[in-house]
Amino acid sequence: DAGITQSPRHKVTETGTPVTLRCHQTENHRYMYWYRQDPGHGLRLIHYSYGVKDTDKGEVSDGYSVSRSKTEDFLLTLESATSSQTSVYFCAIYDRDKNIQYFGAGTRLSVL
Amino acid sequence: EDQVTQSPEALRLQEGESSSLNCSYTVSGLRGLFWYRQDPGKGPEFLFTLYSAGEEKEKERLKATLTKKESFLHITAPKPEDSATYLCAVTNYGQNFVFGPGTRLSVLP
Repeated sequence: DAGITQSPRHKVTETGTPVTLRCHQTENHRYMYWYRQDPGHGLRLIHYSYGVKDTDKGEVSDGYSVSRSKTEDFLLTLESATSSQTSVYFCAIYDRDKNIQYFGAGTRLSVL
Repeated sequence: EDQVTQSPEALRLQEGESSSLNCSYTVSGLRGLFWYRQDPGKGPEFLFTLYSAGEEKEKERLKATLTKKESFLHITAPKPEDSATYLCAVTNYGQNFVFGPGTRLSVLP
């Protein structure tokens, strides 16, 4: 699993509340990603990071922010959760030596 | 804009019935085409990387092939444990991947 841990694994929250998802890696990779996965859409990139404090937007970044203060941690924040953000969220790292993205186990988020 | 489509959306096979999944892509300068397997409730698991037309990779009952516009994942004599969603992805400059919607494979005993 390339040493990727996502927490929490499941979360139920209410509309309008802030939510933070955490991704932790143990192998010191420079690139980290947050995706969401929805039926019929596949994996869509929310934000990615190419180093500590270096982040950029993906195709579905509205309503999300990220932070990376340490190499090993990449946080995804939903500033005010909406029902449309109910989804499964995956964190990934990019192993440059192998040219492969590896994924965490996912966080299932329900916004009621 | 880089794009990946996959067909069929879903496929049901009898155990032992071989078939192929298709991944069609458009990308400006392919730097890798990837196949992943995803089981329900889990993250995608890497299977193969292909880099150039004509290249083939094999793993157990799976073989991936690549042309200039498509990749195929051939499944020979599948077993029920091959049931999963298979995802295809491409990258054009290494660190950013574009994923297709996946093919959901069911292999019936």
